[in-house]
Amino acid sequence: KQEVTQIPAALSVPEGENLVLNCSFTDSAIYNLQWFRQDPGKGLTSLLLIQSSQREQTSGRLNASLDKSSGRSTLYIAASQPGDSATYLCVCTDKLIFGTGTRLQVFP
Amino acid sequence: GAVVSQHPSWVICKSGTSVKIECRSLDFQATTMFWYRQFPKQSLMLMATSNEGSKATYEQGVEKDKFLINHASLTLSTLTVTSAHPEDSSFYICSARDAYSGNTIYFGEGSWLTVV
Repeated sequence: KQEVTQIPAALSVPEGENLVLNCSFTDSAIYNLQWFRQDPGKGLTSLLLIQSSQREQTSGRLNASLDKSSGRSTLYIAASQPGDSATYLCVCTDKLIFGTGTRLQVFP
Repeated sequence: GAVVSQHPSWVICKSGTSVKIECRSLDFQATTMFWYRQFPKQSLMLMATSNEGSKATYEQGVEKDKFLINHASLTLSTLTVTSAHPEDSSFYICSARDAYSGNTIYFGEGSWLTVV
């Protein structure tokens, strides 16, 4: 059974830092891996989708990588801003297995 | 980008009544839609998967007679909470899979249900 774990569970950093959020999965036979953010009391916003044949995707200050052999995906956030504060979730989209989430707080 | 619209955003209903939540994919066809619920400070919990034109598949522990799901078209799925009780108060979120863009999943903004 696929299990998805995210480390750290919570992160609080000053504005401007470069961040690394980790996602690990137990079954490397995934199809797609997608990163989302969820603001308190709201739905999820898609950030990046990495298909199984891809190794990374970039969007603005965000970069996500996927290493299926090691069962890991990493989300890099460059030059963090207070507006980045949210919960970040990784999801194996073919089986809809959600990670445990990382609660990020960026303070001015 | 693709948008999934959920309505209503907030709903308060009396105990014993039923309430319907709509989930629409606005600019893509969603052959598969998903319904989740989320309690405060907890993770999303998948309730059911619905495929257009067929019966929904419910996750273990989710009562299909209480949470009625209809997916009659490629752009609309509805969740009806029947005979709602205060313990059904939660945040309900839908998502839709865009099969034509690498199976990307898009989420609605969610619906807050409060049963009084």
